[in-house]
Amino acid sequence: AQSVTQLGSHVSVSEGALVLLRCNYSSSVPPYLFWYVQYPNQGLQLLLKYTSAATLVKGINGFEAEFKKSETSFHLTKPSAHMSDAAEYFCAVSDGNRDDKIIFGKGTRLHILP
Amino acid sequence: ETGVTQSPTHLIKTRGQQVTLRCSSQSGHNTVSWYQQALGQGPQFIFQYYREEENGRGNFPPRFSGLQFPNYSSELNVNALELDDSALYLCASYLDSSYNEQFFGPGTRLTVL
Repeated sequence: AQSVTQLGSHVSVSEGALVLLRCNYSSSVPPYLFWYVQYPNQGLQLLLKYTSAATLVKGINGFEAEFKKSETSFHLTKPSAHMSDAAEYFCAVSDGNRDDKIIFGKGTRLHILP
Repeated sequence: ETGVTQSPTHLIKTRGQQVTLRCSSQSGHNTVSWYQQALGQGPQFIFQYYREEENGRGNFPPRFSGLQFPNYSSELNVNALELDDSALYLCASYLDSSYNEQFFGPGTRLTVL
């Protein structure tokens, strides 16, 4: 069975500081991994995805994530936080089959301090 | 804007009632998934439809059912509503497989009293 654990339900960083949101996964097969962002009263938007190509994945809005098999991690980073980054972030895992579901973590709310 | 729309935006029902939620997928997307997102939780997979057939189901009882239509629209039906069904219901459409980007709608907020 696949699962995702996001460390920290709330993370606060100052504007301009490094953003680091942690995600660890469990999967019996090579996983596909995703980060989604959810702004208030909106659906989810894909930030980036890992599908067994390059281990360092670059996404939208300056975010990137690195797949580390030895650590079963897929942490999300951004060098410099912006006020508009305040949102809920979800890490998710799938095995990539058409009939397979995507398993989401519980989410991390990112707060940006002025 | 993802091109995926959901209706209604908000809905209030009482326990025991039935509800139908609707989703209009992006044109050409042959797969739609439905998720339940309880307050403070991540989305939980309900089921997936591929070319109008159910093609995967999460840990939800049979009173959760769905339909997908040839015009890229779909429905989620919930019978005998319970208080714990109160949640944001999201649909996501995509082409063929989950490693392609899923486009999420804004969701329907269901409150069961």
